[in-house]
Amino acid sequence: ETGVTQSPTHLIKTRGQQVTLRCSSQSGHNTVSWYQQALGQGPQFIFQYYREEENGRGNFPPRFSGLQFPNYSSELNVNALELDDSALYLCASSLYAGDNEQFFGPGTRLTVL
Amino acid sequence: AQSVTQLGSHVSVSEGALVLLRCNYSSSVPPYLFWYVQYPNQGLQLLLKYTSAATLVKGINGFEAEFKKSETSFHLTKPSAHMSDAAEYFCAVSRPSGTYKYIFGTGTRLKVLA
Repeated sequence: ETGVTQSPTHLIKTRGQQVTLRCSSQSGHNTVSWYQQALGQGPQFIFQYYREEENGRGNFPPRFSGLQFPNYSSELNVNALELDDSALYLCASSLYAGDNEQFFGPGTRLTVL
Repeated sequence: AQSVTQLGSHVSVSEGALVLLRCNYSSSVPPYLFWYVQYPNQGLQLLLKYTSAATLVKGINGFEAEFKKSETSFHLTKPSAHMSDAAEYFCAVSRPSGTYKYIFGTGTRLKVLA
């Protein structure tokens, strides 16, 4: 059974640019959640996707957007990057939207200069 | 609204000593509670979870936690620390309805001294 995978591992961008992060959910899981973990902080919920629809959103501006594809993989897009967007971005998948257990990927480390 | 407070951003214990990491939660509904561990440059690994069954929950690597509703606590313990336990530990709460988003604490970095 393949776990949650994320790409790329590391990414460096400059302020104002756009970035796309990718996540492949664990086999059989149809729900993906994205979290932002700033240095020294706990992860913060960005949004969740269930069967290609957004299923809840945290306190993040609209320049954070996402997609989920028919194979349940997902993308996180961030426009107009700001310095404070530098963080570890974690993707987590769960068996279904009502499942309380989420399985996390290794994360993508984004640095904005 | 739900929230989690982890007391002590850094905890040091000697190898073989008791590990106690504190977590208090706030929730207007009966919560689900989780402990995750994060090793450097890695994602989060689930240690254990409480989902309204037994209040004493046993997890992986010898860790356990007890849900105490009267104290709104879910402290993580391990009888004997091992060097490999050195990591960052996160307590999280979610609610058993709606979007199963996790609310995480700020984490506790555990250092194990030889």
